[in-house]
Amino acid sequence: EDKVVQSPLSLVVHEGDTVTLNCSYEVTNFRSLLWYKQEKKAPTFLFMLTSSGIEKKSGRLSSILDKKELFSILNITATQTGDSAVYLCAVTYSGAGSYQLTFGKGTKLSVIP
Amino acid sequence: DGGITQSPKYLFRKEGQNVTLSCEQNLNHDAMYWYRQDPGQGLRLIYYSQIVNDFQKGDIAEGYSVSREKKESFPLTVTSAQKNPTAFYLCASSVAFSEQFFGPGTRLTVL
Repeated sequence: EDKVVQSPLSLVVHEGDTVTLNCSYEVTNFRSLLWYKQEKKAPTFLFMLTSSGIEKKSGRLSSILDKKELFSILNITATQTGDSAVYLCAVTYSGAGSYQLTFGKGTKLSVIP
Repeated sequence: DGGITQSPKYLFRKEGQNVTLSCEQNLNHDAMYWYRQDPGQGLRLIYYSQIVNDFQKGDIAEGYSVSREKKESFPLTVTSAQKNPTAFYLCASSVAFSEQFFGPGTRLTVL
């Protein structure tokens, strides 16, 4: 059973639109949630979230975590074609006496002019 | 420049052969990780290491082996026991429990 579920799996929007990507998780001993952007190469780090309700922001991207409802959202405003990528969510947690990390399957975002 | 390097970028292997993928980092990170990514899939953890001379199995360790003799290096061997090794392999490193920095990846193809 998947511990980290991202939705939607794919999304097509027009430039200028605002999008919201979702990541829900089900783990015990949660430590952090991370967002990455992956173009046709290695993922690049966007945000790390550890506390509920505190928005992290970087330019047109922002993210927030809800530890009670076990989900996070990634918002992108005024989308550009350069935002086209797969966005990955990962959760770190402690399990069986060691550190665990699980990625979701990703959301493929396509921004068309 | 500080960062993570992986080599080779592309690797072709005949069935039944073992191959070793290189991963080196000069970020002074204690933790290193190996992931496998298949088309349309997220990243799946193969092995990780939090300190030198210690490593742990991830979700899909069968058919793979690793070593961590130096802090900077975490090579991954894909053995002949791995039934479906064709994939994109990513190495990452981090300060413990923090964001991971990824290498450029190695694309392995079994002929």
